[in-house]
Amino acid sequence: QVQLQESGPGLVKPSQTLSLTCTVSGVSISSGGYYWSWIRQHPGKGLEWIGYIYYSGSTYYNPSLKSRVTMSVDTSKNQFSLKLRSVAAADTAVYYCARNLAAAGPFDSWGQGTLVTVSS
Amino acid sequence: DIQMTQSPSTLSASVGDRVTITCRASQSISSWLAWYQQKPGKAPKLLIYKASSLESGVPSRFSGSGSGTEFTLTISSLQPDDYAIYYCQQYKSYSFGQGTKVEIK
Repeated sequence: QVQLQESGPGLVKPSQTLSLTCTVSGVSISSGGYYWSWIRQHPGKGLEWIGYIYYSGSTYYNPSLKSRVTMSVDTSKNQFSLKLRSVAAADTAVYYCARNLAAAGPFDSWGQGTLVTVSS
Repeated sequence: DIQMTQSPSTLSASVGDRVTITCRASQSISSWLAWYQQKPGKAPKLLIYKASSLESGVPSRFSGSGSGTEFTLTISSLQPDDYAIYYCQQYKSYSFGQGTKVEIK
């Protein structure tokens, strides 16, 4: 059974870079067939998809965040990562990593989420 | 940009009630729609994909229907474990609805 776990700093200063890693267990990222996403949820609000990455390194980002987002994958560690640059208070959210069943597919497995607060 | 609009925003219902939530897309998404359930402090859980396919392990009281721009999620007989927030999501470009809170009447 696939499991995903987010890790990274819970507090980031404004204008700095938010960096998170998702460790996947139960399935090899390099086996292909799945895409790996980041999704966030502002406190008390709805869900916003940030982007996805494939094991090959190909990516697709939400156009509204594209200029500030970079995703990468480390198949040797079975991890994928998110970097969000120039953060502001509006980036305070719970960040989830999740698995897509396809490039255009639903999210069938999610991490537990990690709260990242942007504050000085 | 595809906008997803759910109604109602909040729904009060009793155990045993039949509950229906509607999701409308701003343009056709064929059947590329999923429904999720989220409980406080937890990640969303996939219930329905491809508009009407039940995810493995999800109780059969949940069902989905629709195509194009209008979709529904139905809970045939509401159970205590079903009080939660429900989100629709189109996966042509990945936007979510704003959520529907199902609360105890």
